[in-house]
Amino acid sequence: GAGVSQSPSNKVTEKGKDVELRCDPISGHTALYWYRQSLGQGLEFLIYFQGNSAPDKSGLPSDRFSAERTGGSVSTLTIQRTQQEDSAVYLCASSPEGFGNEKLFFGSGTQLSVL
Amino acid sequence: GNSVTQMEGPVTLSEEAFLTINCTYTATGYPSLFWYVQYPGEGLQLLLKATKADDKGSNKGFEATYRKETTSFHLEKGSVQVSDSAVYFCALSASSNTGKLIFGQGTTLQVKP
Repeated sequence: GAGVSQSPSNKVTEKGKDVELRCDPISGHTALYWYRQSLGQGLEFLIYFQGNSAPDKSGLPSDRFSAERTGGSVSTLTIQRTQQEDSAVYLCASSPEGFGNEKLFFGSGTQLSVL
Repeated sequence: GNSVTQMEGPVTLSEEAFLTINCTYTATGYPSLFWYVQYPGEGLQLLLKATKADDKGSNKGFEATYRKETTSFHLEKGSVQVSDSAVYFCALSASSNTGKLIFGQGTTLQVKP
């Protein structure tokens, strides 16, 4: 596709349920990032994948959050036993190799609502 | 630790007014600084950046100068348009080779005709 694609665009779930959020980066981009945008707050870094290197998980808020990236392309962010404070917009971004923060492309996000 | 602080919004201006959105940062070393913009219904996109002290980033009539002495990167535009209505985020990167950014909380700008 032409840009970073995220699905679903909206997800409503009940407290305690698990959810999976999907990100399709721009084809050929080696780096992939997940961010979270909570109401009234800035974007919060969650996790970063670069090629075959071990991911940088330093931003994950708890062990209920995990992410994987299969085949160096599609990524899935999983939130287990969701809590109301997990409600936020989850943004994915990708960049081509060697460009780091110079060419970072964001998707439109998944709006997660935990009831 | 590293952090970014932006002026609180919303900011409401009339068309052709002068815009300033303040941004200050705290960081060790020499971070790169960015302004991102999120137009209604669209994804976040890079507006401008500066990678070292005294650099001026500019794009679409917007400017921001990297001021190390005041640890600031204020966004300015001389004459705003209705189409500039959006949420603006200031951000820093402590590492030039990753897109791991620290963002401010965002400032909503509304421009009225």
